[in-house]
Amino acid sequence: GENVEQHPSTLSVQEGDSAVIKCTYSDSASNYFPWYKQELGKRPQLIIDIRSNVGEKKDQRIAVTLNKTAKHFSLHITETQPEDSAVYFCAATYSGNTPLVFGKGTRLSVIA
Amino acid sequence: NAGVTQTPKFQVLKTGQSMTLQCAQDMNHNSMYWYRQDPGMGLRLIYYSASEGTTDKGEVPNGYNVSRLNKREFSLRLESAAPSQTSVYFCASKEGTASSYEQYFGPGTRLTVT
Repeated sequence: GENVEQHPSTLSVQEGDSAVIKCTYSDSASNYFPWYKQELGKRPQLIIDIRSNVGEKKDQRIAVTLNKTAKHFSLHITETQPEDSAVYFCAATYSGNTPLVFGKGTRLSVIA
Repeated sequence: NAGVTQTPKFQVLKTGQSMTLQCAQDMNHNSMYWYRQDPGMGLRLIYYSASEGTTDKGEVPNGYNVSRLNKREFSLRLESAAPSQTSVYFCASKEGTASSYEQYFGPGTRLTVT
């Protein structure tokens, strides 16, 4: 089955700097890669996703890139702000009705 | 649209007690999921229901049972709670079709077993 590994497990950046979180997946059939943000005590919220027919997707300060050949995808956050501090999870799946497989999460701290 | 709702928000059980966690969604989604979240372990899938009338085991099913009551509701039952089941439980749902993959989570249930 699919296995998703996520790095780093913790990341501290200065406010205004960029943050990058990387995930690798094992199943070449996977074709959907979402990212979730979880603030303390809250539910995970979908912030951006990408399908395998696209190499990059942007939404304001966040972007996701996908390298199908290497089987890895990354989340990029530019101009980080204190409210970006949270745990971020990547995930992968190969069809709409199969479960997402999640990475173990990255705790991002943005230091003002 | 309430999205995905869960009850209760918090629960304390004694070892050996039973309880059912309730989940409902109002988005007409086909697929529903139960996860547990423990520190440093990410989100681990307990059971899921790809469509009404079907259920399947996930990564950590031992000690749990589920019921897909109808298209809206998916419950998780602990028959004899153990301290190892202390965790935060999240229900999630998605449309589960070839064109829609987005998954949405409920607010969670924080369970403590003493």
